[in-house]
Amino acid sequence: GAVVSQHPSWVICKSGTSVKIECRSLDFQATTMFWYRQFPKQSLMLMATSNEGSKATYEQGVEKDKFLINHASLTLSTLTVTSAHPEDSSFYICSARGRGTYEQYFGPGTRLTVT
Amino acid sequence: DQQVKQNSPSLSVQEGRISILNCDYTNSMFDYFLWYKKYPAEGPTFLISISSIKDKNEDGRFTVFLNKSAKHLSLHIVPSQPGDSAVYFCAAAGGSWGKLQFGAGTQVVVTP
Repeated sequence: GAVVSQHPSWVICKSGTSVKIECRSLDFQATTMFWYRQFPKQSLMLMATSNEGSKATYEQGVEKDKFLINHASLTLSTLTVTSAHPEDSSFYICSARGRGTYEQYFGPGTRLTVT
Repeated sequence: DQQVKQNSPSLSVQEGRISILNCDYTNSMFDYFLWYKKYPAEGPTFLISISSIKDKNEDGRFTVFLNKSAKHLSLHIVPSQPGDSAVYFCAAAGGSWGKLQFGAGTQVVVTP
C-alpha cells in the first residue's frame, strides 16, 4: 500500500516554456501533498504544502507565481513550473500524506532539465 | 537553522554487521520521528517511524531508538545487506500535523 506515482519521470524543455508534473496517490486518499526539490548531494528542500481543495502554502524563498501548485482532488496534485529557466533544472519529488498521520509517502521523482 | 542533524555524512559497514545511523534534533516540540531510505534518482522510501511516547520500535532488520532527554535517535540495521547501500534521511514532525524536517542524510555503503 501507500503508493505514490509521478509523471513524467524526466522531462527536457526549452527556456521560457512551462512544464507540468503530476503526483498521484494510487491506493489512499492524500489529504495533504508536498513538493520538494533536491539539488545534487543535498537534502530535500520543501517547496510547498498543499491541502486538497485549498491554496498551497509556499516555503520562504519559493516563488508562488513560478511554481504553481494545484491539489484538486484527494489523489492528484500538480506542479507547474512556469517560464522555466536553466536554474530551475533539478529533481522534483512529491509526497502524499493521509488524514491523521505523519508518514509521507514519496513519488519516484521527476528530473527536469531546462535547456 | 537546522533542527534535525545527521552529523555523519557517510558510513561504511561490512555485510552482515550492524549499521548504526544517528540523528539529533533541537526542537522539543517534535513528537514523531521517521527514517527514509533513498537511492539515487528515486524518491525516498519510508522505513520506520517512532512516536515520542515510545523509546524503541522494531520492524524486521530495522530498529529505531529514541532518547528524548538527549534529543537523539538512532537507526540500527542488522544484519546489513548490500541492498542497504543508500542515503538514509532522518525526519521529525510535531505540532499540528505539519511538515517534516529532514536531516542532511547519511550515505551508507555496505561492503562484501
